[in-house]
Amino acid sequence: EVQLVESGGGLVQPGGSLRLSCAASGFNFSNYSMNWVRQAPGKGLEWISYSSSSSTIIYYADSVKGRFTISRDNAENSLYLQMSSLRAEDTAIYYCARKIPPEDGQLDHWGQGTLVTVSS
Amino acid sequence: SYELTQPLSVSVALGQTARLTCGGNNIGSKNVHWYQQKAGQAPVLVIYRDYTRPSGIPERISGSNSGNTATLTISRAQAADEADYYCQVWDSSTYVFGTGTKVTVL
Repeated sequence: EVQLVESGGGLVQPGGSLRLSCAASGFNFSNYSMNWVRQAPGKGLEWISYSSSSSTIIYYADSVKGRFTISRDNAENSLYLQMSSLRAEDTAIYYCARKIPPEDGQLDHWGQGTLVTVSS
Repeated sequence: SYELTQPLSVSVALGQTARLTCGGNNIGSKNVHWYQQKAGQAPVLVIYRDYTRPSGIPERISGSNSGNTATLTISRAQAADEADYYCQVWDSSTYVFGTGTKVTVL
């Protein structure tokens, strides 16, 4: 069974940093590209970052470019999101999601999410 | 940047049909995916590549895509169909989500 489990969320002050993790199991993690998607309270889904299976291709949404860094450790079956210069508008539930090929493929499995709250 | 427009809400009577639209410029040329999100839960893929259902998704849920509109159809609506629904496409190296439609079953 495919499982994605996010962790690392919490309360952080504006301007602070946080690192999210996504532990994958039940599939060959190194064969799949992965994404981070977030959802602010009461709002819709917002895609924020993509990593190809070998990390050679990485994309970011304009809203996080230059502040967030996606990475992965295929040996550890883990995906990460390093977030810095956090703002109040970054407050959201952050989901990791597996992507099915090809490039415009669907996100077929999602984790349960981890809540990040940016507030003083 | 590419935009996807969905109606804010749709109401459907129990057992009737709901049609959820997703509007985008020439969206018919793209592969559209649909996600269902129930309150307090993570999104679940219900339709991919315009009309294909993942295993476990009932045949009552179907999709189509043509011109400037993609449509998710929920036939014989049940209480369990109450949720937010999001369309999604891939455009210019980014994923784009629609604004989401809240479906209420009366």
